[in-house]
Amino acid sequence: SQTIHQWPATLVQPVGSPLSLECTVEGTSNPNLYWYRQAAGRGLQLLFYSVGIGQISSEVPQNLSASRPQDRQFILSSKKLLLSDSGFYLCAWTTKRQAIAFFGQGTRLTVV
Amino acid sequence: DAKTTQPTSMDCAEGRAANLPCNHSTISGNEYVYWYRQIHSQGPQYIIHGLKNNETNEMASLIITEDRKSSTLILPHATLRDTAVYYCIVRVGGATNKLIFGTGTLLAVQP
Repeated sequence: SQTIHQWPATLVQPVGSPLSLECTVEGTSNPNLYWYRQAAGRGLQLLFYSVGIGQISSEVPQNLSASRPQDRQFILSSKKLLLSDSGFYLCAWTTKRQAIAFFGQGTRLTVV
Repeated sequence: DAKTTQPTSMDCAEGRAANLPCNHSTISGNEYVYWYRQIHSQGPQYIIHGLKNNETNEMASLIITEDRKSSTLILPHATLRDTAVYYCIVRVGGATNKLIFGTGTLLAVQP
């Protein structure tokens, strides 16, 4: 069966520090991968999605970047965190054929 | 993708059926209706989807009107654990399959 791993579960980082969040999927090949963010009390915002290795589409201009170095690995990065980057970050995957998404457990990032 | 409209919040008594409406009056013929829910501090969970016909699975039933301009998600016997934000999304299946979440409906199941 397919599983999605996302880590760490919680993270506290100072302003100006770098960020790297990793997501891996098991049990499927060639998935579409997604990064979402949910600020406190707000809705889910799609940040990036990828349909294949090295293919990244950005939905919202911001202080973050994404990379997909392997088929089932999706990384969210920042060179210098801002206070406004705090939030709940979620990774998800779908097949190419249907929009049935499976989400990871999320990373709660607090920038201090 | 077609825009959806959902009530901001709803209450339901435990053990009763919860009926969550969604309006998608601009839906295209090849767009599916998907329902997800998000329990507090967790990632969204897929519930059900459909194109034209009514659908049922172990979690819920989806009723789509004949003109496809609206749908209703039915939780037949709501429990306290069903308290969550429920999202209705319309989407064409395709290469990206990206899901854009709106504000959803906060369903509060009352004991």
